Amino acid sequence: AQSVTQLGSHVSVSEGALVLLRCNYSSSVPPYLFWYVQYPNQGLQLLLKYTTGATLVKGINGFEAEFKKSETSFHLTKPSAHMSDAAEYFCAVSDGGGSYIPTFGRGTSLIVHP
Amino acid sequence: KAGVTQTPRYLIKTRGQQVTLSCSPISGHRSVSWYQQTPGQGLQFLFEYFSETQRNKGNFPGRFSGRQFSNSRSEMNVSTLELGDSALYLCASSYGQDPIGEQYFGPGTRLTVT
Repeated sequence: AQSVTQLGSHVSVSEGALVLLRCNYSSSVPPYLFWYVQYPNQGLQLLLKYTTGATLVKGINGFEAEFKKSETSFHLTKPSAHMSDAAEYFCAVSDGGGSYIPTFGRGTSLIVHP
Repeated sequence: KAGVTQTPRYLIKTRGQQVTLSCSPISGHRSVSWYQQTPGQGLQFLFEYFSETQRNKGNFPGRFSGRQFSNSRSEMNVSTLELGDSALYLCASSYGQDPIGEQYFGPGTRLTVT
């Protein structure tokens, strides 16, 4: 069985500060990992994904995430927050098993202060 | 390629009524998943249809049902609406046989039950 834990339901940063959103997963096999972003009243949009290969993954809007197998983590970072980054962020894991359905975390709301 | 579309975008219903929501997946995608999103419970998986068959199911009562047509379009039905059914209902599509499990989301249908 796979599961995802996102530490912190809300993260608050100042504009220009580092963004760090934490995600830990549980999977019995090497996982596929995703970060999605959701803006108000919209659906989820894929930010980035890790499948195989390089463990540092770059996504859209300047975000990146690093897969750390030893820590079972896939934290999302951005060097400098922008007001437009304020949104809900979801981490998801898929174990490549027969369900073909990823498991989503509870989400982290990113608040950016001017 | 056109994205996932959901209709209607907003809906207001009265307790006890029933409602049908529609989802058109990305062309070529054979899997459609439905999620309920509320502030309290986050993103919860309802069910997934692949090639007109329900392949995965979440933990929701039988009032929630769905179907998929031969063109992969899907509908979700909720009978005997309760106030707690007020939520954003998201539809996501994928190829359905890709173990990576990446999903593409529609903008959602905002259901309000009064």
